[in-house]
Amino acid sequence: DTGVSQNPRHKITKRGQNVTFRCDPISEHNRLYWYRQTLGQGPEFLTYFQNEAQLEKSRLLSDRFSAERPKGSFSTLEIQRTEQGDSAMYLCASSLPGQGHYGYTFGSGTRLTVV
Amino acid sequence: GIQVEQSPPDLILQEGANSTLRCNFSDSVNNLQWFHQNPWGQLINLFYIPSGTKQNGRLSATTVATERYSLLYISSSQTTDSGVYFCAVGRGRDDKIIFGKGTRLHILP
Repeated sequence: DTGVSQNPRHKITKRGQNVTFRCDPISEHNRLYWYRQTLGQGPEFLTYFQNEAQLEKSRLLSDRFSAERPKGSFSTLEIQRTEQGDSAMYLCASSLPGQGHYGYTFGSGTRLTVV
Repeated sequence: GIQVEQSPPDLILQEGANSTLRCNFSDSVNNLQWFHQNPWGQLINLFYIPSGTKQNGRLSATTVATERYSLLYISSSQTTDSGVYFCAVGRGRDDKIIFGKGTRLHILP
């Protein structure tokens, strides 16, 4: 297993454009989480899935943000009509609760710059 | 929501020194994790430790759940220990986790 994979690693986009990020979790992990991190801050929770069900969305996730995990495997995070304030590192993590280990495994992140 | 406070915010040490990082949280938790974020931004899980004590090489962690704090100990620091250390907590064992602002550690050669 190669861990949690995120693509792309970097994305530069013009304000107003739509962007989509992909996360491939560790294959047997049924929980998948999205976080956002800005410079000098800790990661902030955005949303999480158990299999294909989206269990919780943060109030940080405006209507311009949508996340899916259609088959309970990979997940996508889309941001519509990007704004400069969306510039951040978007982190994905996965876990397998119930197996005596509840630690998260994070991917390397997608760094978004909105110009 | 749960508040997570980490101290100190910054720490500069000479190689070989020992350090203690603290995490205070405002409510009962059943999930507590320590992470190291390296200079390239990768978050590495160090410990899942909602209570008790664990050790992994030069690192160890202790959580006193009844008093709502956790400590991360780093012994014989190496330059590769530099980076930001985050504590993150969740109310339920299966809940999302909320991060503190981190402790930025810089180990001088």
